[in-house]
Amino acid sequence: GNSVTQMEGPVTLSEEAFLTINCTYTATGYPSLFWYVQYPGEGLQLLLKATKADDKGSNKGFEATYRKETTSFHLEKGSVQVSDSAVYFCALSRMDSSYKLIFGSGTRLLVRP
Amino acid sequence: EAGVAQSPRYKIIEKRQSVAFWCNPISGHATLYWYQQILGQGPKLLIQFQNNGVVDDSQLPKDRFSAERLKGVDSTLKIQPAKLEDSAVYLCASRGTGELFFGEGSRLTVL
Repeated sequence: GNSVTQMEGPVTLSEEAFLTINCTYTATGYPSLFWYVQYPGEGLQLLLKATKADDKGSNKGFEATYRKETTSFHLEKGSVQVSDSAVYFCALSRMDSSYKLIFGSGTRLLVRP
Repeated sequence: EAGVAQSPRYKIIEKRQSVAFWCNPISGHATLYWYQQILGQGPKLLIQFQNNGVVDDSQLPKDRFSAERLKGVDSTLKIQPAKLEDSAVYLCASRGTGELFFGEGSRLTVL
């Protein structure tokens, strides 16, 4: 079946450090891949997405590249800020009429000043 | 544009009691989802509606959970009777033709 595996957190970084959160997936066919972010006390928000192999999604300084050969979609940011502290979820979905998101377990990021 | 509205935000009940959560999706969104997010885990789909019809309820524990979307707009998720393991955040999401939009969730604590 389809599944998503994320690195466990929490990930603790100092401001301006480089961030990588690993995400790998198992899926039949060619799913679309997503990163969602959940800030404290708020709902899930779409951060970025990629719909086919080698696509790079980017938003707010975050990037992730859809790697079909390694079935990965790692999230990166060159210089994190305290305001990036949140829980990040990797997810996949078939891009058909059902459009169901399957989430990883989430990775909490703490950025210290 | 108004987002997905959910209520109540917080609910504490004792086991074997019942509870209901309400969701009002973004106007015009035909697809509505209910997800369960247990602490430390990612959201898990419980049920998906297309207008007022059920598309997928394979993960819904039907002996205690029920959901409806009368008139194809807002939706209610009910748990009766609740168990300790139902403690979670219940997320509602809606979709038009693009991405999913999530509400802030309803946090349930079962004592």
